[in-house]
Amino acid sequence: DGGITQSPKYLFRKEGQNVTLSCEQNLNHDAMYWYRQDPGQGLRLIYYSQIVNDFQKGDIAEGYSVSREKKESFPLTVTSAQKNPTAFYLCASSMGAGGVGLQFFGPGTRLTVL
Amino acid sequence: SQQGEEDPQALSIQEGENATMNCSYKTSINNLQWYRQNSGRGLVHLILIRSNEREKHSGRLRVTLDTSKKSSSLLITASRAADTASYFCATDSKYSSYKLIFGSGTRLLVRP
Repeated sequence: DGGITQSPKYLFRKEGQNVTLSCEQNLNHDAMYWYRQDPGQGLRLIYYSQIVNDFQKGDIAEGYSVSREKKESFPLTVTSAQKNPTAFYLCASSMGAGGVGLQFFGPGTRLTVL
Repeated sequence: SQQGEEDPQALSIQEGENATMNCSYKTSINNLQWYRQNSGRGLVHLILIRSNEREKHSGRLRVTLDTSKKSSSLLITASRAADTASYFCATDSKYSSYKLIFGSGTRLLVRP
């Protein structure tokens, strides 16, 4: 059963803590993405990775970090430097460079800072 | 930075009616995509239209693209209550076809 999984579905964080959101895909896609969505808004790109061991900052990378050690995994860490981290986080993947950019999305993680 | 902007922001129609949503963008593109998002869920790809295409159909969906006006429209015919969702357009650019920029979305409510 191919697709993208994200965990956890809901995450609560105390101020000052770092948290890591998981994203796994078994679609054999080269490219992976992290987006942030605020209520009633569109998606904003945090980080993206076109290939293993390489990633680039998106439009709102400050306060976030990522790694891409395996093709199927692209975890996102929300650090204490992120001033307003409460949001819905979506991970996506696509075939990557040379493809048409059609993206497949995970179900999302809702992060709440207490 | 927002590339695509949808209009209207919200739309409420009766079941059976048609729903039209519009998207405008700013820079040259390779293709434009429409996605759907049910409340609290991930996005689902609906349809992709390339920059050299003017119209595309998929079931009850019809998408048009006018590159001279940098705009696209999504028409959902014979709407159903299950079509209630947010709809987003997403554009790439001539320089990075894999990186998408999403608009702010149109929230569609189909009343039974």
